[in-house]
Amino acid sequence: AQSVSQHNHHVILSEAASLELGCNYSYGGTVNLFWYVQYPGQHLQLLLKYFSGDPLVKGIKGFEAEFIKSKFSFNLRKPSVQWSDTAEYFCAVNNQGGKLIFGQGTELSVKP
Amino acid sequence: GAVVSQHPSWVICKSGTSVKIECRSLDFQATTMFWYRQFPKQSLMLMATSNEGSKATYEQGVEKDKFLINHASLTLSTLTVTSAHPEDSSFYICSARDQGPGQGRSSPLHFGNGTRLTVT
Repeated sequence: AQSVSQHNHHVILSEAASLELGCNYSYGGTVNLFWYVQYPGQHLQLLLKYFSGDPLVKGIKGFEAEFIKSKFSFNLRKPSVQWSDTAEYFCAVNNQGGKLIFGQGTELSVKP
Repeated sequence: GAVVSQHPSWVICKSGTSVKIECRSLDFQATTMFWYRQFPKQSLMLMATSNEGSKATYEQGVEKDKFLINHASLTLSTLTVTSAHPEDSSFYICSARDQGPGQGRSSPLHFGNGTRLTVT
């Protein structure tokens, strides 16, 4: 069965620190990959997506993610986090129009 | 951009009663909508796929008689939690993919704001 694993449940960083959130999936076929963010009290928003092409994907608010097919990974990165990045981050995978399967989520707390 | 409206945003009901949650795509057509449930500190769990004009497809372990889904039009899906119990208290979120002309099957999902259900 298709599954998505996020390595860190809760990450605490100071402002200006670099961020990397891990995401691994299990599915042998062609996949589409997403990172969603949920700010406190708000709904899910799409941060970035990968369908094909350049495996390094740039999203909103300075986030980027790299698809490494050989490692079944799609890690999220940001060079310098801000307090406003405090949120919960979800990695998600679907097999081209199929169901979207989410990882467990990673709660990011950024200390000012 | 595409918007999905979910109503109500929160509801408190007594044990044994039923609650209906609506999910509307406001400016696009969605033949398929998805219903998720989020437990505290846990991931979003896909409950079912709502298909316009046909029966919903439920994920393993989800009681179809408990969580009734109706997708009567291209812009509206409803989830009814029947005979709710305290263990049904959760955050329910719907999503829809813009499936209009020019949109591929892999266009991103748009999420509703979610419904916080509390069963007392």
